[in-house]
Amino acid sequence: EPEVTQTPSHQVTQMGQEVILRCVPISNHLYFYWYRQILGQKVEFLVSFYNNEISEKSEIFDDQFSVERPDGSNFTLKIRSTKLEDSAMYFCASIGQGIPGELFFGEGSRLTVL
Amino acid sequence: DQQVKQNSPSLSVQEGRISILNCDYTNSMFDYFLWYKKYPAEGPTFLISISSIKDKNEDGRFTVFLNKSAKHLSLHIVPSQPGDSAVYFCAASASGTYKYIFGTGTRLKVLA
Repeated sequence: EPEVTQTPSHQVTQMGQEVILRCVPISNHLYFYWYRQILGQKVEFLVSFYNNEISEKSEIFDDQFSVERPDGSNFTLKIRSTKLEDSAMYFCASIGQGIPGELFFGEGSRLTVL
Repeated sequence: DQQVKQNSPSLSVQEGRISILNCDYTNSMFDYFLWYKKYPAEGPTFLISISSIKDKNEDGRFTVFLNKSAKHLSLHIVPSQPGDSAVYFCAASASGTYKYIFGTGTRLKVLA
């Protein structure tokens, strides 16, 4: 069964460093997402991406964040200068043409900012 | 701005009994609702959805009920099984957007 894959599974970084989280969505899917979950809290929407551009973004997704789909398969989230509060599990998701809203999530990338 | 709320952080139910998970929303523009299940160290997986034109949707042991006037939805699991133990998130979206807002989750524990 096709799945969304994410790398790395865990990244530890120093505050102020740049981080890139990578995702390979399901190949025929059209919408791509990044969500994050701070430990024990809700799953928060960051950004949606469609047709090679940002479709919607939340107030969390400020100038420190960017997304890119550089080669038609990878979908990346870059955090330019990480802060302690960026420590979270970051989930990539994609939607196809099946059930509306049926997001297919990856297993997540845990980011720890020290 | 907590547009989707799950007021019970946890719930314990005996195997074979009914589990009822609740969710409230504040945004009257929401017209599509979903439930996701999440196991530790995994991403959420889709369970069941309901459109605002319906008040009930059933899929096997899972039934979602929607009360639009109360801005409330619930997920019923009957009968509950130990494998259902997970965190359950409700999510909502509005027509014309592909933005899905998740609640805080309810941890369900089904006791054998």
